[in-house]
Amino acid sequence: DAGVIQSPRHEVTEMGQEVTLRCKPISGHDYLFWYRQTMMRGLELLIYFNNNVPIDDSGMPEDRFSAKMPNASFSTLKIQPSEPRDSAVYFCASSLSNSPLHFGNGTRLTVT
Amino acid sequence: DQQVKQNSPSLSVQEGRISILNCDYTNSMFDYFLWYKKYPAEGPTFLISISSIKDKNEDGRFTVFLNKSAKHLSLHIVPSQPGDSAVYFCAASSGTYKYIFGTGTRLKVLA
Repeated sequence: DAGVIQSPRHEVTEMGQEVTLRCKPISGHDYLFWYRQTMMRGLELLIYFNNNVPIDDSGMPEDRFSAKMPNASFSTLKIQPSEPRDSAVYFCASSLSNSPLHFGNGTRLTVT
Repeated sequence: DQQVKQNSPSLSVQEGRISILNCDYTNSMFDYFLWYKKYPAEGPTFLISISSIKDKNEDGRFTVFLNKSAKHLSLHIVPSQPGDSAVYFCAASSGTYKYIFGTGTRLKVLA
């Protein structure tokens, strides 16, 4: 199994630009999570899906953030417009019911 | 408000000795706890978990202890090896899939 695949690995963009992060979960997993890692707050849960349906988006910081899961094998996290304080490592994770999360290797976002 | 706290940002231990990583939580509804290990430029990987109906779970060199009255859990690594050098995150959930993570502790095992 290839594991959770995230792209791009690194993204550098200017303030105000739109950023789209992509995730392919492990085949057969029915839960998908987006986390953000910062030094101050550790790993923060942004949103999670079950069977492609958003279940809890209370961690999404602002309306500038949106996430979609159009099918079981793909999800996106979009930031529009991006700001320097959005700079962080964004992780996608997937899991089966009642099993631990499997994380991708993350996307390091830098907004200048 | 940080519901899961790892108050030690870093820890150094000699190879062969015991490493003890600590985690405190504030939400008494948490009933499932996990530890993840993270190497640089990689995602966190699952290490060990414990349900609130237990107070100890062991897997090889790794043991997790849960003290519900103190709202405290700890991860013991015995013996510590240089390959254990990583950032360790504890996480908790309350019957849902909403896992809340701590800020992590960087463990350095000295050869």
